[in-house]
Amino acid sequence: GAVVSQHPSRVICKSGTSVKIECRSLDFQATTMFWYRQFPKQSLMLMATSNEGSKATYEQGVEKDKFLINHASLTLSTLTVTSAHPEDSSFYICSARGLNSPLHFGNGTRLTVT
Amino acid sequence: ILNVEQSPQSLHVQEGDSTNFTCSFPSSNFYALHWYRWETAKSPEALFVMTLNGDEKKKGRISATLNTKEGYSYLYIKGSQPEDSATYLCALDSNYQLIWGAGTKLIIKP
Repeated sequence: GAVVSQHPSRVICKSGTSVKIECRSLDFQATTMFWYRQFPKQSLMLMATSNEGSKATYEQGVEKDKFLINHASLTLSTLTVTSAHPEDSSFYICSARGLNSPLHFGNGTRLTVT
Repeated sequence: ILNVEQSPQSLHVQEGDSTNFTCSFPSSNFYALHWYRWETAKSPEALFVMTLNGDEKKKGRISATLNTKEGYSYLYIKGSQPEDSATYLCALDSNYQLIWGAGTKLIIKP
């Protein structure tokens, strides 16, 4: 079945650096990708919705310049956490769907900023 | 603003009992209704995608029904087991927009 690959699964970086997370659809064309963040003991929080070839739509309270999302092809979306700080440490999950296909989730990326 | 409501927020069920919970959504803007099973810090596991009014889907001891006209879906778990403990999320798919409910946290008591 369809698979969404998210990479890396874990990343540790120093404060002030930028981190890029990739989300790939392996055997379907992902017309829409979603990025989520999960805070400890809380539900998934949708950060942004990304349609291929257009700018991402960010949820209220999510900084566009902080969390850069690119969805340049039908199989790849990237989330870049710019100038990361310890408060950005979290679990980031992507999901993807194609036309007439269900939503598939990546396995998530655990980001730790030291 | 589209809003998806799930009730109850949390639920304690004795092992072996059956249970069910609700996802309510605005009947307009409907494309599909997703159910996910989610354990904290893991990627949510897709349970069902439901698209047609009257749909009923089943996966083992878990089943779901859909009423798009009145805007609700029920998730049923038969003969609850400890491994069923998780948060069950529903999401309204209005095509290019996914609106999540807050989830029902299910705890199975042995």
